Amino acid sequence: TQLLEQSPQFLSIQEGENLTVYCNSSSVFSSLQWYRQEPGEGPVLLVTVVTGGEVKKLKRLTFQFGDARKDSSLHITAAQPGDTGLYLCAGPFYNNNDMRFGAGTRLTVKP
Amino acid sequence: DVKVTQSSRYLVKRTGEKVFLECVQDMDHENMFWYRQDPGLGLRLIYFSYDVKMKEKGDIPEGYSVSREKKERFSLILESASTNQTSMYLCASTSGGVGYTFGSGTRLTVV
Repeated sequence: TQLLEQSPQFLSIQEGENLTVYCNSSSVFSSLQWYRQEPGEGPVLLVTVVTGGEVKKLKRLTFQFGDARKDSSLHITAAQPGDTGLYLCAGPFYNNNDMRFGAGTRLTVKP
Repeated sequence: DVKVTQSSRYLVKRTGEKVFLECVQDMDHENMFWYRQDPGLGLRLIYFSYDVKMKEKGDIPEGYSVSREKKERFSLILESASTNQTSMYLCASTSGGVGYTFGSGTRLTVV
């Protein structure tokens, strides 16, 4: 059983569409991180959210941390082929350094 | 630019061999981690280290050991490789309180 459940597992959309992916847990987290991983590379940190209800924007990407700090979402506006990749959420387990990852959402944006 | 370097991108080893995966970081980070990544399972923590000569078991340590003789180097050892250890192995480091920096990964195939 995953500590962090991500949905959907796969998502294929056309360029220009909007999308939202989710990261859910039954546990409360002090913070959550989102990473993007491209084929053949390691994950790269996109954002860290630390306050319940927090919203962070990174260009066309909007990240939200749930009020209860058990879930997070990533919304992409007007997706582009360059957004293609595996999106992973991660949260600290025992302390702020010891992260556990969800299985990820694999996003494909078709031109 | 900060870096985590994994010694090999691809490795093919035979069942029963002893395998060493090397990871070096140039950021003076205290914390280093080894994960394996398998489709549908996400990243699973094998071992981590908070300091030189210190190691902690992650969620799936069986069949693996680690060595951290110097701050910048964290090695993962497969004592006797088995086919179920075929996977992508990712090394990461962090100074604490911020996101991980990952290496590009080592894709290990055990035949």
